[in-house]
Amino acid sequence: QQQVKQSPQSLIVQKGGIPIINCAYENTAFDYFPWYQQFPGKGPALLIAIRPDVSEKKEGRFTISFNKSAKQFSLHIMDSQPGDSATYFCAAYSSASKIIFGSGTRLSIRP
Amino acid sequence: DSGVTQTPKHLITATGQRVTLRCSPRSGDLSVYWYQQSLDQGLQFLIQYYNGEERAKGNILERFSAQQFPDLHSELNLSSLELGDSALYFCASSPTGDGDQPQHFGDGTRLSIL
Repeated sequence: QQQVKQSPQSLIVQKGGIPIINCAYENTAFDYFPWYQQFPGKGPALLIAIRPDVSEKKEGRFTISFNKSAKQFSLHIMDSQPGDSATYFCAAYSSASKIIFGSGTRLSIRP
Repeated sequence: DSGVTQTPKHLITATGQRVTLRCSPRSGDLSVYWYQQSLDQGLQFLIQYYNGEERAKGNILERFSAQQFPDLHSELNLSSLELGDSALYFCASSPTGDGDQPQHFGDGTRLSIL
């Protein structure tokens, strides 16, 4: 029940395409859902985050869609660029469970 | 640059040994978090300190301990090291003690156990 399931494990998209990464959770006590971007040799960096009272949040080319009833949320990257190639982690947080990360998606944007 | 500094960047040691990893948080941040990232377990929360006190505990082994000093830097101590402890260890910081706030990560310490 504490898991956050992330898919796909890896993704290859052409430049300008819209990669979509999906996450699902079971614990309805989770109340904060951040996405992190990690480049090789670097620590994760917060990209965007959402709370369950909102169904969608946009920041620049990054959009989170949140479906509370399905207990699923996803990251969309508009007009993807080769510089977006990185590993992306979803996460879920509650005060009881603390932060639980998904297993990560290795994204490659082809020029 | 996140403003979080971790030292050393790399550490190579043997089984049974003890090591100390150091983290300096961003200026003004009172919370420090420690994470372990390994191929088989992914990214896991270990422990959080807020203004010198332990705030939250995750999947931290009894062989591991941490502390936060008055100047807010933190140390993670790993003892009786095993091969399975080989991993990247990240420190993150945030201004408050609330776990649902943006965290800023350092670039990690890569620990290799031979």
